[in-house]
Amino acid sequence: DAGVTQSPTHLIKTRGQHVTLRCSPISGHKSVSWYQQVLGQGPQFIFQYYEKEERGRGNFPDRFSARQFPNYSSELNVNALLLGDSALYLCASSFTDSNNSPLHFGNGTRLTVT
Amino acid sequence: AQSVTQLDSQVPVFEEAPVELRCNYSSSVSVYLFWYVQYPNQGLQLLLKYLSGSTLVKGINGFEAEFNKSQTSFHLRKPSVHISDTAEYFCAVSSSNDYKLSFGAGTTVTVRA
Repeated sequence: DAGVTQSPTHLIKTRGQHVTLRCSPISGHKSVSWYQQVLGQGPQFIFQYYEKEERGRGNFPDRFSARQFPNYSSELNVNALLLGDSALYLCASSFTDSNNSPLHFGNGTRLTVT
Repeated sequence: AQSVTQLDSQVPVFEEAPVELRCNYSSSVSVYLFWYVQYPNQGLQLLLKYLSGSTLVKGINGFEAEFNKSQTSFHLRKPSVHISDTAEYFCAVSSSNDYKLSFGAGTTVTVRA
């Protein structure tokens, strides 16, 4: 079975631009979460979606937005990119939105903002 | 809100030696605890989890961890490491009243021959 897939794998953008990252969850998983991992740090929670509804949001500015589609795939959008947005963006899926449902992570999208 | 502290940022260890990675958490409510491993240029892979029940949990690749509620710890151990265990290890916690998974800063394990 395919795991969580993310696209693109790498991306280079300029300050002020907009970016869209995509994620396909494991088949049957209805919850998708997004995390930002800055180099040398642990992942930081951005969003969780379940059944197309936002269930949680981390401490990120409104420049960050996301959505989940009927097929449970998801997009993360970041507007007005800053140098500090350079990071590995990880998508994770789980079967339910329960707090004890383990997350399955994709390999991430490496975003570099110049 | 919950938080996680990984007490060692780097752990060098010789092949076939034991290793312990320390993790402490703070939370005012019931917690669920996880250890993930991240190999270079990859996402995170679940090693093991504690949800309830036995405080000693066994995971993949010979790893195990022990939940200690009184010390608010969830240390990860492996009795004999391999070169292939070289990776970044993350302790994470979620709680009954919060959707998010909170990660520690990670411990880099470097296994030398």
